[in-house]
Amino acid sequence: NAGVMQNPRHLVRRRGQEARLRCSPMKGHSHVYWYRQLPEEGLKFMVYLQKENIIDESGMPKERFSAEFPKEGPSILRIQQVVRGDSAAYFCASSPTGQPNEKLFFGSGTQLSVL
Amino acid sequence: GENVEQHPSTLSVQEGDSAVIKCTYSDSASNYFPWYKQELGKGPQLIIDIRSNVGEKKDQRIAVTLNKTAKHFSLHITETQPEDSAVYFCAADFGNEKLTFGTGTRLTIIP
Repeated sequence: NAGVMQNPRHLVRRRGQEARLRCSPMKGHSHVYWYRQLPEEGLKFMVYLQKENIIDESGMPKERFSAEFPKEGPSILRIQQVVRGDSAAYFCASSPTGQPNEKLFFGSGTQLSVL
Repeated sequence: GENVEQHPSTLSVQEGDSAVIKCTYSDSASNYFPWYKQELGKGPQLIIDIRSNVGEKKDQRIAVTLNKTAKHFSLHITETQPEDSAVYFCAADFGNEKLTFGTGTRLTIIP
């Protein structure tokens, strides 16, 4: 049973370009969470999605950031017009049902570098 | 608000000694407290968790204790080994379907 798969592992973008980060949850998991980790810091919640629904996006910046989890295919975190401050590690996690107190399983992350 | 504080930020212990990392949380409604280990270049991996209806849980060399009255919980690693070197994160579920993480502890085991 494959774990949470994220790609790419490393992504380099120039300021103003778009970044698209992909996450395939564990088999049987229908709930996806995105977290951002700045160097030497903890993980900050960004968004929580179910298939075709955004459940909680309270941690998402109001502009330039969007996320989706379509009926078919991986979850996508999209960052438009990237700036240097977007450089960070972005982690995806999944859970089977999204119930409180349920274990989250993380992917290996995408390291975004903005030049 | 939802807040988890973690101490210390760095910790060095001699191989074979014990390591203790402590976290406090702000909301007494929290019921779930996992601990994650993150090795360099990898995602966080769940190593142990505890729910509010128990005070202590142990898994081989790793144990977690929870004091709900004081709103703090701790990770204990005994007989530390070099492979225990990593960054450890505590987290709490504030009942809103997402985890809030502490700022991490970089643990270094000195051979």
